[in-house]
Amino acid sequence: DAGITQSPRHKVTETGTPVTLRCHQTENHRYMYWYRQDPGHGLRLIHYSYGVKDTDKGEVSDGYSVSRSKTEDFLLTLESATSSQTSVYFCAISEGGNGIQYFGAGTRLSVL
Amino acid sequence: KQEVTQIPAALSVPEGENLVLNCSFTDSAIYNLQWFRQDPGKGLTSLLLIQSSQREQTSGRLNASLDKSSGRSTLYIAASQPGDSATYLCAVFTGTASKLTFGTGTRLQVTL
Repeated sequence: DAGITQSPRHKVTETGTPVTLRCHQTENHRYMYWYRQDPGHGLRLIHYSYGVKDTDKGEVSDGYSVSRSKTEDFLLTLESATSSQTSVYFCAISEGGNGIQYFGAGTRLSVL
Repeated sequence: KQEVTQIPAALSVPEGENLVLNCSFTDSAIYNLQWFRQDPGKGLTSLLLIQSSQREQTSGRLNASLDKSSGRSTLYIAASQPGDSATYLCAVFTGTASKLTFGTGTRLQVTL
């Protein structure tokens, strides 16, 4: 998976609890992305980062925040998880903003 | 807003058959188009990237074409094999940088 590690791989949590997903890369790529994948919707961009401390919103950013304090780590936080955030979350990286994106193996999150 | 459509949603073919997967997009002002493969429970693997100035790209038994003016791309798979069974996703990079818009994919099954 191109030097991308997502953790945890699976998580079950309860509504209202905070959750943080981690993406770690060893490729030193500038761009990092968080997507969610849901049946019937395909992959949708949540947030992305174009450098350390530089982030921007995607199309489904409500209820999510991100942080990037180091080149290699991009964290996705659900401040207060809801059942609608049950999904598979993918991290991706790319060297350039419009280049090939390489994906991690995903995190399956269930919010009960 | 860019929209990406993939038809058919699912396809089953016998081994050895040549096949075509279709992708259409609504906004022709794209930087590039990417085809990905996703195996069940896995992340996405990049197959081909076509720049907006290119007409096609080839990798082994895969050939992707792009007709930007009509908003269409096709992925041609020659001599299909059971190992080609997966979901194939098309994604376009449009307008503002760093954002891919994905189709919902075509689920391909190649039978013996």
